[in-house]
Amino acid sequence: QVQLQESGPGLVKPSETLSLTCTVSGGSIRSTIYYWGWIRQPPGKGLEWIGSVYSSGSTYYNPSLKSRVTISVDTSKNHFSLKLSSVTAADTAVYYCARVNWGSQFYYYYMDVWGKGTTVTVSS
Amino acid sequence: QSVLTQPPSVSGTPGQRVTISCSGSSSNIGRNTVNWYQQLPGTAPKLLIYSSNQRPSGVPDRFSGSKSGTSSSLAISGLQSEDEADYYCATWDDSLDGQVFGGGTKLTVL
Repeated sequence: QVQLQESGPGLVKPSETLSLTCTVSGGSIRSTIYYWGWIRQPPGKGLEWIGSVYSSGSTYYNPSLKSRVTISVDTSKNHFSLKLSSVTAADTAVYYCARVNWGSQFYYYYMDVWGKGTTVTVSS
Repeated sequence: QSVLTQPPSVSGTPGQRVTISCSGSSSNIGRNTVNWYQQLPGTAPKLLIYSSNQRPSGVPDRFSGSKSGTSSSLAISGLQSEDEADYYCATWDDSLDGQVFGGGTKLTVL
């Protein structure tokens, strides 16, 4: 049973970089079947896709966040990470990591395993 | 403004059938399959329907999904109080080269 667990600081200062890690247990992040993704949810609002990474390091990012986002994978530690630079209060959200099932040209792309989420607040 | 359009809220009484719509365009729903997620209060989203009409193991057959053209629908039959949650549709958008979500629909069981 694959499980995902987010970790990282719960409080980040404006203009600094938000850094989170998602540790995968019960399965290998090297699997060629999956991408690994990040999704966030501001308080009282809907879900927003941030991006995803493959075991090779190949990435896809939300165009609205692309200039500030880096998602990377560390296969030796079986985890993947999110960095979001120059944060503002608008980046305050619950951040989720998830396992992504995908098909050719992303004809299908869905998250079947989710972490419980971690709350990140941007405030001085 | 979400790329996929959902009604903000729907409601129904126990035992009733309700549907939630999700409208997109030719670059997203028109080309790719649709997924539905259920988010109970205070919890992480859960995959409810994938590939437009497939249910993951453990999801009751009261939940069903469909897709036609650039729209998709989630139907819930035999409504139960525990179905009260937020529901999100999602798919890949070929123009944006990324995944897009609907704005979410809050289901209230009266």
